[in-house]
Amino acid sequence: DVKVTQSSRYLVKRTGEKVFLECVQDMDHENMFWYRQDPGLGLRLIYFSYDVKMKEKGDIPEGYSVSREKKERFSLILESASTNQTSMYLCASSSRAWNQPQHFGDGTRLSIL
Amino acid sequence: AQSVAQPEDQVNVAEGNPLTVKCTYSVSGNPYLFWYVQYPNRGLQFLLKYITGDNLVKGSYGFEAEFNKSQTSFHLKKPSALVSDSALYFCAVRGGDSSYKLIFGSGTRLLVRP
Repeated sequence: DVKVTQSSRYLVKRTGEKVFLECVQDMDHENMFWYRQDPGLGLRLIYFSYDVKMKEKGDIPEGYSVSREKKERFSLILESASTNQTSMYLCASSSRAWNQPQHFGDGTRLSIL
Repeated sequence: AQSVAQPEDQVNVAEGNPLTVKCTYSVSGNPYLFWYVQYPNRGLQFLLKYITGDNLVKGSYGFEAEFNKSQTSFHLKKPSALVSDSALYFCAVRGGDSSYKLIFGSGTRLLVRP
């Protein structure tokens, strides 16, 4: 089974802090994704990466950056956390095959105070 | 632009009755369609997909989905609902435009009452 592991299930940070969310996958997938999930809005793509050191902006990249130094690890960085970034963050990975689904971690519920 | 619509925020059904969760889509090219389920405080779990071939696809936990090209729909179905099916369900589409991105619907909460 594909395993996507997010480092924290719950995280509480303060406004202005730099926040790191980590994600590791064990299936040698080329693609990795970061989403945020908010009630009534579904999942919105923040960034994705299709290879080591490669990244593309998703639909809502403002206020976020990412890092992919190793194939199995994809980090999401909140440069200066704000209260409107309080949300559930989901990491996913997939192979390059078009017919394969994305596989998700259990999420990090982030609260910015 | 690609989009997915799940017109019902919540679906209520009695245990043992059939259930349907609706999804319509708009994409350029041939669609790749997916259903996911999310239980409380968990990530999304893949249920089933339509890529090509038979319009009726079968997936995990007894779920199936029917692809209808003329109506651009991909409704999720189960012949007999269980209380344990209560969860949040997401439909997603990938367009045939060589994008890795999935576009998700807003989700439908399924409540199965005993």
